[in-house]
Amino acid sequence: AQSVTQPDIHITVSEGASLELRCNYSYGATPYLFWYVQSPGQGLQLLLKYFSGDTLVQGIKGFEAEFKRSQSSFNLRKPSVHWSDAAEYFCAVGAREYGNKLVFGAGTILRVKS
Amino acid sequence: EAQVTQNPRYLITVTGKKLTVTCSQNMNHEYMSWYRQDPGLGLRQIYYSMNVEVTDKGDVPEGYKVSRKEKRNFPLILESPSPNQTSLYFCASSLRQNYGYTFGSGTRLTVV
Repeated sequence: AQSVTQPDIHITVSEGASLELRCNYSYGATPYLFWYVQSPGQGLQLLLKYFSGDTLVQGIKGFEAEFKRSQSSFNLRKPSVHWSDAAEYFCAVGAREYGNKLVFGAGTILRVKS
Repeated sequence: EAQVTQNPRYLITVTGKKLTVTCSQNMNHEYMSWYRQDPGLGLRQIYYSMNVEVTDKGDVPEGYKVSRKEKRNFPLILESPSPNQTSLYFCASSLRQNYGYTFGSGTRLTVV
């Protein structure tokens, strides 16, 4: 079965610093991978996705993520964090064999200090 | 505006009183899904639907029902709610399998 691990429950970074949020998945075949962001009191917004092709994908709001098959990872990065990036971030994995079921990680809460 | 609309946004109910949370999307998406979100657990899928009249269980289907009579609507039914169903619920839709979901704004349900 699919599983997703986000090892960091909370991360605090200074405004302007770089950011990397970790995501590891467990699945044998080629997965579909997603990052979502959830601001307080809001629904989830899709940041970016990977399902084939170039392993470095660009998303909205200046985020990018890199798929590393050998490490079963799909880490999210941003070179310079803004205070408005403070939110909760979720990694999710799907696969053709599982229909349109997405399995989510437990989330990482990002705090930005000025 | 393309969106997934859930109603109500907030609901407080008593144990055993049947309730329905509605979900509608205006994007002609085939796939729809219900998730519940609980602190420390992320989002867990309750039910999903790949098309009209096609539904299947997710990871936590017990105590819930769904129906997909029309492409745009995917209501979530709690026949006899219990306090352990207190949670934040999200409806989501997707055009195709690998497109990623568009989420509604959520329904915060409290069962007392």
